[in-house]
Formats: sequence, structure tokens, C-alpha cells
Amino acid sequence: QKEVEQNSGPLSVPEGAIASLNCTYSDRVSQSFFWYRQYSGKSPELIMSIYSNGDKEDGRFTAQLNKASQYVSLLIRDSQPSDSATYLCAVKASGNTPLVFGKGTRLSVIA
Amino acid sequence: KAGVTQTPRYLIKTRGQQVTLSCSPISGHRSVSWYQQTPGQGLQFLFEYFSETQRNKGNFPGRFSGRQFSNSRSEMNVSTLELGDSALYLCASSLDAGWNEQFFGPGTRLTVL
Repeated sequence: QKEVEQNSGPLSVPEGAIASLNCTYSDRVSQSFFWYRQYSGKSPELIMSIYSNGDKEDGRFTAQLNKASQYVSLLIRDSQPSDSATYLCAVKASGNTPLVFGKGTRLSVIA
Repeated sequence: KAGVTQTPRYLIKTRGQQVTLSCSPISGHRSVSWYQQTPGQGLQFLFEYFSETQRNKGNFPGRFSGRQFSNSRSEMNVSTLELGDSALYLCASSLDAGWNEQFFGPGTRLTVL
């Protein structure tokens, strides 16, 4: 059973701080990694994808991947109240396999 | 470019009934995946379609079925509804089979009474 684990939270951070969201996965052959943001009552929105070890930056978001440790994280710099949402980590092995989602971490940014 | 559309947005059914949900992918996207989201289980994969063929199927009973049409639009059907089928059903489209990035529609909220 391929698993993706996330701390359910809530993770509370003050406005302007860095929020750090973490995800571990069990399938060693996983190749593609994604972060989705889901606001309450809405559908998931893709915010980051990462395929290689290391960091990938996009605006205030940085995704970090360590395949040896089977660990992927998302950093949100200068957190804003509008970043308050549930963040879902998703992992995919080879081409003909489905995405496997974690249950998400609820982030609350306090003004 | 228009996003993924799903109809209907909300449905209320009673146990034993059946339901059909519809999904239109982003224009040019040929792969459609379906997910069930519940508070307890999170997002769970139902099935994936590409070129009118089911490529993958999740661990759901045979009451859950789907299909894809030549224009890439997809439908999923749930027969003999149970209370536990109450969930948000999400459709996601991607450019091609095995393409990694998926984009979700707004979902259909199904309530089974």
C-alpha cells in the first residue's frame, strides 16, 4: 500500500513568518511530487511540482525534495492570512500509476 | 482557457438510487481522473480514463463505474447508493496519459440520505 503521510495540523504561523509543511512517502520508486492548496469548500489547486532532488522556488513558495529520505516539503515565505488553507502533498511513481494524496495539513496564518 | 467543469455541483439522493456525474476537461486535455474526497479518508483515487479507455482503477467496489467519450468528456456512475457514498467527487484533467500535472474541477457534492 503506497502511502503519503502529512501532519494534519493545524499549523499556526504569524503573518510574515515562514510556514514549513512536510510530507513523507513510502514508495521508493516515486518520481513526481506535487503540492496542492485547498481552501475550505473548494477544490484542490496545483501550486508546485518537483521532480529532482533539491529546491524549486516559485514566488513565495519553495518545494524541497530528498528522495533518499523519501521526504518532500513546502516552504511558504512571508505567510499571509490568504495562505490559510489545507495543503495536500501528492506523489506519483511511473507514468501509468495514479497520484497518491496525503490527507493534508491545515495551515492557519494569524494576522 | 476554460477550466475543468463538473455537473451537477450538488446532488441529494436516497439510498439505493443511482447517480451519474459529468466532467468536461480543459480544452486539449485528453486524460481524466476521478477522486472521492471525504473528511476521514481524504482524496482517494477512483479511476483514470484516456482515449475512452480506463487506464487505472482504484480500490472501490464495482458499483462505481465510469466512461470517457471521444471528445474527452467523462462520466462516472454510482449505482445502489449507500450512506457512505456521501462525498465530494472531484474530476481532474491532464494533458495526456501519464502526464503528471493534474488540474481539478470544482467537484460535485453528493449527499445520500
